[in-house]
Amino acid sequence: DAMVIQNPRYQVTQFGKPVTLSCSQTLNHNVMYWYQQKSSQAPKLLFHYYDKDFNNEADTPDNFQSRRPNTSFCFLDIRSPGLGDAAMYLCATSKDRLFQETQYFGPGTRLLVL
Amino acid sequence: DQQVKQNSPSLSVQEGRISILNCDYTNSMFDYFLWYKKYPAEGPTFLISISSIKDKNEDGRFTVFLNKSAKHLSLHIVPSQPGDSAVYFCAAKDYGQNFVFGPGTRLSVLP
Repeated sequence: DAMVIQNPRYQVTQFGKPVTLSCSQTLNHNVMYWYQQKSSQAPKLLFHYYDKDFNNEADTPDNFQSRRPNTSFCFLDIRSPGLGDAAMYLCATSKDRLFQETQYFGPGTRLLVL
Repeated sequence: DQQVKQNSPSLSVQEGRISILNCDYTNSMFDYFLWYKKYPAEGPTFLISISSIKDKNEDGRFTVFLNKSAKHLSLHIVPSQPGDSAVYFCAAKDYGQNFVFGPGTRLSVLP
């Protein structure tokens, strides 16, 4: 089945220790997104890739970076995690960015910062 | 500044009755609206959508209504089933732009 896969499902890191979250997709979609979701809040878009073009949201901290080495994979790097970065991180894809697109989400990675 | 609002954090409904989940938005440029359903430990899954040229879209037990003048949409689930218990996110989009999500409403369907 075509899907969006996120690994790991749970990640524990230490304050200030770099961490990488991964996402892969078998949908062959052009667009991949990373969202941060904290408890009882709306998912907040961090950035997205349209093919190889990186699009950062204006309020995404510099501490968050992303890489997309190929169509299938996208990584979220947190260079120096703080306690406030503990959250669920959701990866999503869409075929394009046009009208009436639907996003497909992975199961998320829950990050805990000690 | 929340562009998409879901003012009810939670809702409880008896099995077999109608569930009505509400969503309000502020950006008049939004022209496509979606509802997602999220179970614990899973990512959101697409449920139903509506474009701004329509005022109603139905898919089985799920119907979405859009009132553009009021910048309001609602999701009706009838009849509600225990398996519908989840968090429901409203999302909105305008052409070529990104999705904007609401904070979600937790629906509990009681047997």
